[in-house]
Amino acid sequence: DQQVKQNSPSLSVQEGRISILNCDYTNSMFDYFLWYKKYPAEGPTFLISISSIKDKNEDGRFTVFLNKSAKHLSLHIVPSQPGDSAVYFCAAKTSYDKVIFGPGTSLSVIP
Amino acid sequence: EPEVTQTPSHQVTQMGQEVILRCVPISNHLYFYWYRQILGQKVEFLVSFYNNEISEKSEIFDDQFSVERPDGSNFTLKIRSTKLEDSAMYFCASSDWAKLFFGSGTQLSVL
Repeated sequence: DQQVKQNSPSLSVQEGRISILNCDYTNSMFDYFLWYKKYPAEGPTFLISISSIKDKNEDGRFTVFLNKSAKHLSLHIVPSQPGDSAVYFCAAKTSYDKVIFGPGTSLSVIP
Repeated sequence: EPEVTQTPSHQVTQMGQEVILRCVPISNHLYFYWYRQILGQKVEFLVSFYNNEISEKSEIFDDQFSVERPDGSNFTLKIRSTKLEDSAMYFCASSDWAKLFFGSGTQLSVL
């Protein structure tokens, strides 16, 4: 039972363009959402998060959008840089519960 | 910047042997977690630990697994009798509430 879904296993984007990574969830009790970035042989690194009371959170080149009615969130990276190439995990949690990860989307930013 | 540290970075063991994976969480964090990632698969939750006891565990975390916080700083994962399918990257994480910070992982190879 996949509570957090990332339906695109991979994405390729030209350097300087926008990367949009999508995530859907099924559990309406989730109230906090996170994006993690992971390089090979390293642990996931926290990138950005959003509470369910907001619909947008921005941090530099990274913006996360939340559409609660659609149970959908997305991560926008503008402009994309080659160093952004990594696996991006969408994650979600309820209050004081474990974080549940999606399967990940592998982003390749082409110079 | 505080970080989660894990030792060893690589562990090779024979099937049936016991292994202990070690983690030093961020010092003022109260919640501790173990996740694992089998090669090519998603990051899977194993167990969460709060107030010196397990708060939640997944189906993966059977009787062969145990966790301990022996001295107030270390957080360990023990696998009593390893199986081939336990081969994975094991990540320790800690949080103050929502944002999990991960260690760089221990690559466990069971032969």
